[in-house]
Amino acid sequence: DQQVKQNSPSLSVQEGRISILNCDYTNSMFDYFLWYKKYPAEGPTFLISISSIKDKNEDGRFTVFLNKSAKHLSLHIVPSQPGDSAVYFCAASGGSGTYKYIFGTGTRLKVLA
Amino acid sequence: DAGVIQSPRHEVTEMGQEVTLRCKPISGHDYLFWYRQTMMRGLELLIYFNNNVPIDDSGMPEDRFSAKMPNASFSTLKIQPSEPRDSAVYFCASSFTGNGYTFGSGTRLTVV
Repeated sequence: DQQVKQNSPSLSVQEGRISILNCDYTNSMFDYFLWYKKYPAEGPTFLISISSIKDKNEDGRFTVFLNKSAKHLSLHIVPSQPGDSAVYFCAASGGSGTYKYIFGTGTRLKVLA
Repeated sequence: DAGVIQSPRHEVTEMGQEVTLRCKPISGHDYLFWYRQTMMRGLELLIYFNNNVPIDDSGMPEDRFSAKMPNASFSTLKIQPSEPRDSAVYFCASSFTGNGYTFGSGTRLTVV
């Protein structure tokens, strides 16, 4: 049973445009959410996070939005660059297993030059 | 800091053989996690340790899988006997106080 879902396996965006990656979760105990980025043949690297007490967190070109009532979060990348092409994983933690992150299946983003 | 080091990078083995994956966490980190990446399930948490003690192994798929952490600088994930459906990329990650994971580069396992 997937507690964290990324329903879009892939996404293609033109360079300079906005990329929006979506993530849904089912466990209402989750209170901390993260996005990781993964290049081929490398491990995932941390990108941005958000606590459930906030609904938005911004870091440069990357913004994460959290809608707790809908159990939905999204990652916006503006403007998208070819170097952003990677697999993006959404992750969540909280409740009884605070220190373990539950990851989604990932979305492969391709930014076209 | 060399980061989290995993070995081997690639492993090809025959069905039924024992496979051992190795991980050296970042010095000073007190949490260590083993994940498996597949297309269908993404990154699945298999087991994690805190101060070398296994805390949650509910993600370990079967008794064929076992993990140990004999000291703060080394952990192993063993599969015995291996099966083709175990083919995946296995990641080790470490963190301090459970926040901010640093992942290794992974071991790509192919069981034929």
